[in-house]
Amino acid sequence: GENVEQHPSTLSVQEGDSAVIKCTYSDSASNYFPWYKQELGKRPQLIIDIRSNVGEKKDQRIAVTLNKTAKHFSLHITETQPEDSAVYFCAASMVGDTGNQFYFGTGTSLTVIP
Amino acid sequence: DSGVTQTPKHLITATGQRVTLRCSPRSGDLSVYWYQQSLDQGLQFLIQYYNGEERAKGNILERFSAQQFPDLHSELNLSSLELGDSALYFCASSVGGGAIPYEQYFGPGTRLTVT
Repeated sequence: GENVEQHPSTLSVQEGDSAVIKCTYSDSASNYFPWYKQELGKRPQLIIDIRSNVGEKKDQRIAVTLNKTAKHFSLHITETQPEDSAVYFCAASMVGDTGNQFYFGTGTSLTVIP
Repeated sequence: DSGVTQTPKHLITATGQRVTLRCSPRSGDLSVYWYQQSLDQGLQFLIQYYNGEERAKGNILERFSAQQFPDLHSELNLSSLELGDSALYFCASSVGGGAIPYEQYFGPGTRLTVT
């Protein structure tokens, strides 16, 4: 089955700096890669996603890049703010007519220091 | 508030027992996903239902089963409970469930404690 590895497990940055979280996956059949943000005691929320036919996607301060050949994808947060502090999960999914399976990384706890 | 509801919020039960977790998706969403989140195993995809039919299976144990009813609400049944089943169980819903990935909206979760 699919195996998703996520690094680092914890990350501290100064407010205004950039944060980068990296994930690798093992199954070349994975074709959809969402990123979720989970604040303490709350539900995961989708923050950005990318499909396998796209190399990069940006939404304001958040961007995701995908390298299909190397089987890795990364989340980039620029101009970090204290409210960005949370746990971030990457996921790799095989999305198809027979259903959608999701495999998650182990999470990165991001702390933005004011 | 995502529009996805889950009941109960907390559940405490003993080993060997059986429990049922309930999820109501957002209005209009046809797909329901179940996830288990524990400290040692992170977020694990269990199973997906789409318009009443099972669509995809993840790491769901044989002791666990789920179904989606005609009104689209879903139930996750956990039986012969073990201490290791203690976790936060999320359901999520999305409009579709096929080749086009739609955003999943997560419910608030049910925290299960097995003693």
